Amino acid sequence: AQKVTQAQTEISVVEKEDVTLDCVYETRDTTYYLFWYKQPPSGELVFLIRRNSFDEQNEISGRYSWNFQKSTSSFNFTITASQVVDSAVYFCALSEADTGRRALTFGSGTRLQVQP
Amino acid sequence: EPEVTQTPSHQVTQMGQEVILRCVPISNHLYFYWYRQILGQKVEFLVSFYNNEISEKSEIFDDQFSVERPDGSNFTLKIRSTKLEDSAMYFCASSELHLPDTQYFGPGTRLTVL
Repeated sequence: AQKVTQAQTEISVVEKEDVTLDCVYETRDTTYYLFWYKQPPSGELVFLIRRNSFDEQNEISGRYSWNFQKSTSSFNFTITASQVVDSAVYFCALSEADTGRRALTFGSGTRLQVQP
Repeated sequence: EPEVTQTPSHQVTQMGQEVILRCVPISNHLYFYWYRQILGQKVEFLVSFYNNEISEKSEIFDDQFSVERPDGSNFTLKIRSTKLEDSAMYFCASSELHLPDTQYFGPGTRLTVL
């Protein structure tokens, strides 16, 4: 069973539109961490945010915001007023930590295209 | 800002050859990782390394793979006898000791097996 599901394979928006990238996860651990990484066309993986399972506070960083809801096992990512530079593949990832494991399980990614 | 570096950026090899991919983790990090990404697919965990030994490995990390920290700065992934299906981007990552940790990734090495 997939532990991290990103159902949106590709999203295309026009600049200045808001866009939400969905992430649904599955785990039996009580302690776990959720992450978002950005992979621009150049290929590197850029860390965006980490959330732990005990902190359901939403977070905002500039145009980026994250909504973590344990009740629906979701950790969604919203970009407000999207820009062309936001075009990338975005990966959600899970780390299950009850036994001290650190391996990240990635979703299959969502490719975001922001058109000018 | 400190970063993870990887060399080479692109490696082309013949099937059956051995390759060594190199990484320099962030200097105060103690956990090291290798992940791979087959073109167009998701990123997959291979192995984590702490205190000079493997702490976790995935099913992908079979006997043809090995990791080593040969000195105080480098962290290597060796693939003993490459197969066509080993063609992928290989990412090194590092993180601090204490949980919660964040893994910071290097730019990747693209391995092409012909």
